[in-house]
Amino acid sequence: AQSVAQPEDQVNVAEGNPLTVKCTYSVSGNPYLFWYVQYPNRGLQFLLKYITGDNLVKGSYGFEAEFNKSQTSFHLKKPSALVSDSALYFCAVRPLTGFQKLVFGTGTRLLVSP
Amino acid sequence: GAGVSQSPSNKVTEKGKDVELRCDPISGHTALYWYRQSLGQGLEFLIYFQGNSAPDKSGLPSDRFSAERTGGSVSTLTIQRTQQEDSAVYLCASEKTVSGETQYFGPGTRLLVL
Repeated sequence: AQSVAQPEDQVNVAEGNPLTVKCTYSVSGNPYLFWYVQYPNRGLQFLLKYITGDNLVKGSYGFEAEFNKSQTSFHLKKPSALVSDSALYFCAVRPLTGFQKLVFGTGTRLLVSP
Repeated sequence: GAGVSQSPSNKVTEKGKDVELRCDPISGHTALYWYRQSLGQGLEFLIYFQGNSAPDKSGLPSDRFSAERTGGSVSTLTIQRTQQEDSAVYLCASEKTVSGETQYFGPGTRLLVL
């Protein structure tokens, strides 16, 4: 069975500092990995995905994520946080083959203070 | 272009009533998913449609839940005899293909069962 773990319910960071939101996964075979962001009273907005190739994936709004197969991790990063980055972040996985539903982590709330 | 749209954005109903939630996917997207986001359960898959294939209903929590997709486009999620535990945000997503493409989410319908 597939699963995703986001070990931190909340991450606090000061504006201008680098941020990391952690994600580890468990899936049979090679995965497709995704990060989504949710602002208050909004749906999920796609940030980036890893399919294959370069382990460092760049996405929207200056976010990037690094795929680490040996550690089964896909941490989300940004070099310099903005107050407007404050939101709920979800990591998700789907297998390369078979049924295509997304399996989500429990979400991490990012709070960027001025 | 237009994204995924959902209606209504908010729905308040009384326990025991039936509700219908609507999803308009992105034009040309062949796959459509329903997910539910609730405080206790996080983001969970409900049902998936792909083209003319039979939908996968494995995520539906009870037989009170059903969904259809007419003409390969618009989808309706129906909850019969609503219960308070059905209160959640219902999210719809569409996808161009099922080969690792990105699922794009609508803004969701916030359902409150009194």
